[in-house]
Parts: sequence; C-alpha cells; structure tokens
Amino acid sequence: DVKVTQSSRYLVKRTGEKVFLECVQDMDHENMFWYRQDPGLGLRLIYFSYDVKMKEKGDIPEGYSVSREKKERFSLILESASTNQTSMYLCASSLLGPWREVPHEQFFGPGTRLTVL
Amino acid sequence: DAKTTQPPSMDCAEGRAANLPCNHSTISGNEYVYWYRQIHSQGPQYIIHGLKNNETNEMASLIITEDRKSSTLILPHATLRDTAVYYCIATPSGNTPLVFGKGTRLSVIA
Repeated sequence: DVKVTQSSRYLVKRTGEKVFLECVQDMDHENMFWYRQDPGLGLRLIYFSYDVKMKEKGDIPEGYSVSREKKERFSLILESASTNQTSMYLCASSLLGPWREVPHEQFFGPGTRLTVL
Repeated sequence: DAKTTQPPSMDCAEGRAANLPCNHSTISGNEYVYWYRQIHSQGPQYIIHGLKNNETNEMASLIITEDRKSSTLILPHATLRDTAVYYCIATPSGNTPLVFGKGTRLSVIA
C-alpha cells in the first residue's frame, strides 16, 4: 500500500515563527502536492512538484514556499506564520507527472492541523 | 477541469445502497470522472474513476450516462463507516492538481 505520511497531526505555532511541514511518500511517485482545507472553502492547492527541485505555484502560494530535494520528500514552509494560515494542511502524491494523461489516483496523507496563535 | 455539481447532503439507511449523483454537463472528451471521499479529520481517499464505461471495484460502482453529462456513485451496502463527504471531480488525469468542490455529505443512519 502506498503511504503518504506527514510529520505532525497537530501543530501549534506563534505568529512570526518559521514553520516546516514535512511530507514523505514511499512509492517512488513523481508528483507531490500541498493543499490546505478550510471550512466553507474546500481544498485549495498551494504548490505542487512533478520532479526533484521542480515546483509550480498553485492557487494560493502567497506566504508559502516549498522544497523538494529528494523524490520522496516534499516540504511546505511558512516563512513567517500568520493567524490566517491556521488551517488543515494536506499532502498528496501521484505516480506520474502532470503531462502524462494516464489516469492515476492521488494518495493523501492524514493531514496536519496547524494553529497559529 | 469541468465544473461538477453535487447535492450538499444525503441520508442513507445502513445496509441500503447509497446513490450519489453528480452533474458534469460541460465535461470534455478527454476528462475522466473521479470520486474521492473524506471521512472526518482524515485526508481524502480515492474511490473510483471512469471515462465512458461503467466501472466497479471493491468499494463502489460508477455509472456514467451515455452523453457523459452526469454520473452516479453507488455504494451497494452502506455502513456507518461510509459516512463522509464525497467529491466528484472531472479532470484529464489524476496526475494534475485536483479541484475539489463542496461535495456531498453522506450520512449513513443505523
């Protein structure tokens, strides 16, 4: 079974702190994604990466950066956390890159619920 | 990605079939219909996908109309553990970022 793991289930940080959210997948997937989920707004894409050291902005990249130094690991970084970044953060991966029009599913991690005080 | 429309909520008795509809009248010829579900406080889980033909797996069946403008996800014998939000997504491939709408909140009642 594909496993997508996220470093923490719950995290509490203070305004202005630098926050790292880690995501690891164990099935050699090319594609990795970071979404955030807020009540009434659904899931929104922050960034995705289709290869090591490659990244693409999603719909709401402001205030975030990402790092993909190894294929299995995709990190989301909040440079200076703010209260409006309090949210559920979900990482996902899929086998092939976005240019491959072969249908595959995305596998999601359990999520990290981040609270910024 | 084509826009999808789903009812906001549905109830189903335990043991009965749950039929969840989805409208995707602007779907393109190369777009698949994917279904995911999200149980409370967990990440979304893939259920099934299809292009033109009906599909079945161990979790569910997917019925797509001939004109591909709508589809129905069928959970044949719903259990309490099927209580979740179900999302229908039309996309050329599951490898691109998914656009999640509001989904249908299914409540399975004992």
